[in-house]
Amino acid sequence: DAGITQSPRHKVTETGTPVTLRCHQTENHRYMYWYRQDPGHGLRLIHYSYGVKDTDKGEVSDGYSVSRSKTEDFLLTLESATSSQTSVYFCAISDPGSSGTVDFGPGTRLTVT
Amino acid sequence: QKEVEQDPGPLSVPEGAIVSLNCTYSNSAFQYFMWYRQYSRKGPELLMYTYSSGNKEDGRFTAQVDKSSKYISLFIRDSQPSDSATYLCAMSFNQAGTALIFGKGTTLSVSS
Repeated sequence: DAGITQSPRHKVTETGTPVTLRCHQTENHRYMYWYRQDPGHGLRLIHYSYGVKDTDKGEVSDGYSVSRSKTEDFLLTLESATSSQTSVYFCAISDPGSSGTVDFGPGTRLTVT
Repeated sequence: QKEVEQDPGPLSVPEGAIVSLNCTYSNSAFQYFMWYRQYSRKGPELLMYTYSSGNKEDGRFTAQVDKSSKYISLFIRDSQPSDSATYLCAMSFNQAGTALIFGKGTTLSVSS
């Protein structure tokens, strides 16, 4: 998984609780991404970062926030989890000039009850 | 019309068969085309990458891009049970990865 770790790998939480997912990379890549994957929707971009403290929204950013204080770490926070945020979350990384490709982490399976 | 269309399958073939997986797209600005393979409960991994039109071959895998028809294909020759996975097409109009659009994936099962 291209030097990418995600934690936790599995989490069950209750509606209304805050949740933070962590992505850590050892590749020193500039870009980091958070995707969610759902049946019938495929992979959809939530947020991405193009440098420390530089982030932007993706296709499905409502209800999510992100932070990047170090090159190697990218955090995804669900301020108040809802059942619609039950999903598999993937972190990905890339460098400029990577020909548009990204490398994915192993994923975090989140269930909101 | 969705930007990227991909038949979800499932597609079931016997070992040794030739497999053809396809995607169509609507945005003519796409320049970079990829195929990712995803095993169950794993992250997607890059399988093939093609810039603009043409063919690319890597072992048993061949990727084709026809920009005039807005159509990309992945061929798998001599398919193996280990090829059983979901195959995702993806495409982008820039090199940074920030504009990557994925198809929903085709699930392939190869039986021995």
